[in-house]
Order: sequence, then structure tokens, then C-alpha cells
Amino acid sequence: GDSVTQMEGPVTLSEEAFLTINCTYTATGYPSLFWYVQYPGEGLQLLLKATKADDKGSNKGFEATYRKETTSFHLEKGSVQVSDSAVYFCALGDKLSFGAGTTVTVRA
Amino acid sequence: DGGITQSPKYLFRKEGQNVTLSCEQNLNHDAMYWYRQDPGQGLRLIYYSQIVNDFQKGDIAEGYSVSREKKESFPLTVTSAQKNPTAFYLCASSIEDSYTDTQYFGPGTRLTVL
Repeated sequence: GDSVTQMEGPVTLSEEAFLTINCTYTATGYPSLFWYVQYPGEGLQLLLKATKADDKGSNKGFEATYRKETTSFHLEKGSVQVSDSAVYFCALGDKLSFGAGTTVTVRA
Repeated sequence: DGGITQSPKYLFRKEGQNVTLSCEQNLNHDAMYWYRQDPGQGLRLIYYSQIVNDFQKGDIAEGYSVSREKKESFPLTVTSAQKNPTAFYLCASSIEDSYTDTQYFGPGTRLTVL
């Protein structure tokens, strides 16, 4: 069945460092791909999405490209801030397919 | 403001008691979902509903029940049959249950069994 494999954390970075969180997927159809972010004690919020191969989703300095050839949707940000500290979830456009989440901590 | 509300934010239950978690949305979405989140783990689907008066079990439905009598409401009951109910519960909705729709999440309810 469809599934998502996400890089395990936790990840600790200094401010202004480069962030990459790897995500690969297995899918029989052509689902959309999502990154959600969860701040402490809150629900998930959509960070970005891509609906088809080669689409790039972007928001708040984060980017991810839907790569069909490598079945990947890696999340990147060039210069992180303390406010980016959160848990990040990769997800297939299917209610059953969330990654385990990667906890990111950014130190000042 | 459109969105999803969950109440209460924190809930304490004694063993052997049933408890109901509220989820309301005013986004006019057809599909609604309940997930459970345990520390350091991803989300696991408990139940979902594609339309009013219809719902399906997810991966971990045992010990839980739901109803969908109104489009905007999807309450979850945690019964005494649920062996380990202490967790963070998240409700979500989407326009439809499809591969392309974004899910919108509520703020969550943290349930603790005493």
C-alpha cells in the first residue's frame, strides 16, 4: 500500500543553517504530496504541497519538489530561524499516509 | 473566521469511563477525520467520514466510536474498551476525501487517563 518514509530526528541546528529533511514515498497512483508543521501543543498546519511530478511547493522560505523518478519530496530551507523549531510531517494525499515526523530544534 | 475547533483542550478521565471529544468545523467540508498521536510517533487514523451519516474505520478503531449526524460535527467517543487511551487526539477536515485535498487540523485534545 501507499506509505511515506521520513528522516528520523531529532535535528538540532544553529540559526541561519541549512535544513534538509528527507522524505520518500511509495504510491500506486498519483497522489499529491504535503509537508505539514506542528508547533508545540498545537495541531498540524499545511506548510506546502505539490500536486504532480516536478511541481515545487514553497512557503515561508521552505521548498520541496515532487520527484517522481526518485519518489522523493525532500524539504529544504536555506537559512533557519529559531521560530522554525517544530515537528515536520511528510504526507501523501491519502488519509492513511503520514510520516513519523521529524523534530527540528533551532538554537540562537 | 473559518476553521476547526476541538474541545476541551485537556481532558482527564478515570479508568472505566467513556469520554467524548468534540470536533466542529465551519469550512463546509464533506470529509472529516480523527487521528491519534503518541509521543515521537506519526499520526494514526482512527475513523473518517466522507459524508453525513456515513463513517469508516481507520487503522486503530478498536475502543473508539464516532457519529456524523451533522456536516459540521464529528464527535469521537473513547470507550472503556480502549486499553491505552492517553494520547493527543487531532481532528481534521477536507473538502473531499481525495488524494489532492489539503487537510485542515484542529488544535487537538490531550486526553489523560488517571
